[in-house]
Amino acid sequence: LAKTTQPISMDSYEGQEVNITCSHNNIATNDYITWYQQFPSQGPRFIIQGYKTKVTNEVASLFIPADRKSSTLSLPRVSLSDTAVYYCLVGGAMRFGAGTRLTVKP
Amino acid sequence: NAGVMQNPRHLVRRRGQEARLRCSPMKGHSHVYWYRQLPEEGLKFMVYLQKENIIDESGMPKERFSAEFPKEGPSILRIQQVVRGDSAAYFCASSPLARAPFMNTEAFFGQGTRLTVV
Repeated sequence: LAKTTQPISMDSYEGQEVNITCSHNNIATNDYITWYQQFPSQGPRFIIQGYKTKVTNEVASLFIPADRKSSTLSLPRVSLSDTAVYYCLVGGAMRFGAGTRLTVKP
Repeated sequence: NAGVMQNPRHLVRRRGQEARLRCSPMKGHSHVYWYRQLPEEGLKFMVYLQKENIIDESGMPKERFSAEFPKEGPSILRIQQVVRGDSAAYFCASSPLARAPFMNTEAFFGQGTRLTVV
């Protein structure tokens, strides 16, 4: 299983763009990268998934460099409601690490 | 289409009692995952089940914990002889497809069951 490393926490302000990077040095050739979001007292919610380059949906963008040893979740113009824990998963194992606790301030 | 339903939402048990946590997956989903989460920590994988089969139970404690997903009815996580350390939030997730080795099939989570052992 590919090990992932993310910052424990990040702070931001409303309206800013937030980038959360996940390191996964031993990612396997076929592994996809998936991000989930968890609000307090709720179950996680799928945000985005990608294999290489860039993926964008209505919620976020995912940037994956050519070597695929890291990935960056980008949240445009965050609001207070984006305060949550963000998890990076690699491959199909559905294993969650500690995640990144994002706090958006007014 | 109702989401993943977990019940009860809150469960209080005395030490030594049994706890039964239920998870009804989304309609059409035949794969269920169970996780445990302590306050301020990430989700710890416990078990992955397909209907009538345990696919991966590598995260389940060897004693007192069991899980099933029968052909009919919800998935059940059963904790026998609960201890204070079992107090946590337990989440289940369901997905329509089998887990591929390299790719997550989008999983949908329930609201969780908060177990308190007194």
